Amino acid sequence: DTAVSQTPKYLVTQMGNDKSIKCEQNLGHDTMYWYKQDSKKFLKIMFSYNNKELIINETVPNRFSPKSPDKAHLNLHINSLELGDSAVYFCASRSEGNSPLHFGNGTRLTVT
Amino acid sequence: GEDVEQSLFLSVREGDSSVINCTYTDSSSTYLYWYKQEPGAGLQLLTYIFSNMDMKQDQRLTVLLNKKDKHLSLRIADTQTGDSAIYFCAESINTGGFKTIFGAGTRLFVKA
Repeated sequence: DTAVSQTPKYLVTQMGNDKSIKCEQNLGHDTMYWYKQDSKKFLKIMFSYNNKELIINETVPNRFSPKSPDKAHLNLHINSLELGDSAVYFCASRSEGNSPLHFGNGTRLTVT
Repeated sequence: GEDVEQSLFLSVREGDSSVINCTYTDSSSTYLYWYKQEPGAGLQLLTYIFSNMDMKQDQRLTVLLNKKDKHLSLRIADTQTGDSAIYFCAESINTGGFKTIFGAGTRLFVKA
């Protein structure tokens, strides 16, 4: 029943590793996003895809590579993880234009 | 520019009203939102207002919008301990793709 679901919920890994976070929405929305929330709870947009096409890329290091196999899925792959990548990553979706975002429950990434 | 500002902390007594204030910079924003985040959870949409409205009321929540001053407020009547959370103000802007910009969040503490 979950509208926007992301896995895993927790991810602990060592520096230099490569990891992926998956996101799926069953709302029929066309646009999906990745946001990063740092330890001070500040939310920053990373990427946006509309119907599988990248439309927003907010000066994120190219170690981060989003992939959208279809409009219901948006995955995030991170290469060569660094300590500063530790954060909570939120997936979100919206139906169109300025309509409200629907968020997943987040993936807490800890890099040691 | 893209900036949303809000105070970081608010403490109220149970039963009192809470007022959380926010200012934004993009006058072209057509939607403004309030989201709530409880510990360990994702962001939950509380309410939103169209930019051509001055006020919106939804049960205990009242949103006031002063478009001239780019000021948005959220009033929670009869605040309960369960209202303790972080409240994010957000605006949606179009920069070749729609993105939602969030404030830093106001931490609401409700004392019994």
